[in-house]
Amino acid sequence: GEDVEQSLFLSVREGDSSVINCTYTDSSSTYLYWYKQEPGAGLQLLTYIFSNMDMKQDQRLTVLLNKKDKHLSLRIADTQTGDSAIYFCAEKRWDTNAGKSTFGDGTTLTVKP
Amino acid sequence: EPEVTQTPSHQVTQMGQEVILRCVPISNHLYFYWYRQILGQKVEFLVSFYNNEISEKSEIFDDQFSVERPDGSNFTLKIRSTKLEDSAMYFCASSAGGAGANVLTFGAGSRLTVL
Repeated sequence: GEDVEQSLFLSVREGDSSVINCTYTDSSSTYLYWYKQEPGAGLQLLTYIFSNMDMKQDQRLTVLLNKKDKHLSLRIADTQTGDSAIYFCAEKRWDTNAGKSTFGDGTTLTVKP
Repeated sequence: EPEVTQTPSHQVTQMGQEVILRCVPISNHLYFYWYRQILGQKVEFLVSFYNNEISEKSEIFDDQFSVERPDGSNFTLKIRSTKLEDSAMYFCASSAGGAGANVLTFGAGSRLTVL
């Protein structure tokens, strides 16, 4: 079955880059997502990448996908204290219902001033 | 920016009681979902709903759960007889048709506490 793994915690200094890593097991994943969850709030879709892409950049966010190793990363440039949140990686198989994604445990990012 | 609205934000209930969680999806979206997140655990898929019927459900979504779109705007999750282990944050989400189907917009969640 599908499994998505993330490291649980990451701490960086304000202004540094953050890199949050994720591995997934299902080679038939087509969409890979990054969500942000601030304390007490819902899940905010940050970005997503199709499995036929290697990289996607969106302002301070860069997503890298290594399909061979089933490894996904999210890089946040110039990390700010407002970036402190839990970041979830999620994947969707090509043959599943559009909304049926499998989520990782989430990485808690702490940004220190 | 259009958003998915969920009510209540927090509900406390006694074990065995029925609970209805409400969601107003984005108005032109066609697909609707419920997910849950038990405290400290992963976000888990419960059910998806399209064209007025359940299109897929997980093993968590047993006979105690039901969903309904009673009036074309609200999308509800009913838990018939709550158990302690139903305590969780419940997220509603919706997505558009076509290529947008795979991009979900989530609500802020409804926290359910079962005592």
